[in-house]
Amino acid sequence: GNSVTQMEGPVTLSEEAFLTINCTYTATGYPSLFWYVQYPGEGLQLLLKATKADDKGSNKGFEATYRKETTSFHLEKGSVQVSDSAVYFCALSGNFGNEKLTFGTGTRLTIIP
Amino acid sequence: GAVVSQHPSRVICKSGTSVKIECRSLDFQATTMFWYRQFPKQSLMLMATSNEGSKATYEQGVEKDKFLINHASLTLSTLTVTSAHPEDSSFYICSARSPGSSYEQYFGPGTRLTVT
Repeated sequence: GNSVTQMEGPVTLSEEAFLTINCTYTATGYPSLFWYVQYPGEGLQLLLKATKADDKGSNKGFEATYRKETTSFHLEKGSVQVSDSAVYFCALSGNFGNEKLTFGTGTRLTIIP
Repeated sequence: GAVVSQHPSRVICKSGTSVKIECRSLDFQATTMFWYRQFPKQSLMLMATSNEGSKATYEQGVEKDKFLINHASLTLSTLTVTSAHPEDSSFYICSARSPGSSYEQYFGPGTRLTVT
């Protein structure tokens, strides 16, 4: 079945540091890949997505590239801010028409001023 | 837009009692809603998918008689944990998908259930 393996946290960085959160997946066919973010006290929000190989999703300075050859979808940001402190979830959904999401365990990110 | 609420945010109940959790889409009509369970330091596990006006589809290993799901309207789905036991203590999260969205789910803030 489908699975997502995500970098364990927690991760603590200083403001303006470079961020990478690793995510690899196992799936049959051609899944869509997602990063969700959960800010304290709020629900999960879609941060970015990619639906086919070599697609790059980007939003709010975050980027992730769908790498089919390495089955990866690593999240990166060049310069993090305190407001980026949150829990980040990598997820995938199955082939077209299959809308179930499979999540990684989540990575808690804390940015210190 | 696309806000999903859950009520209550926290609930404590005694073993053997039942508790109902509500999930509402506040500004859109949700034809499909999902219920997830999250254990500490673990990922969200899909429990069931519910479509308005029809029976929920449960994932393998989820007891449908224990976790009753009702999606009676396009803006409301409820999860009732019947005869709760301490092992049912968990964080329950719902999400909703609108007809116009091909795959995006909008998530509620979650409900922390503690069974004593």
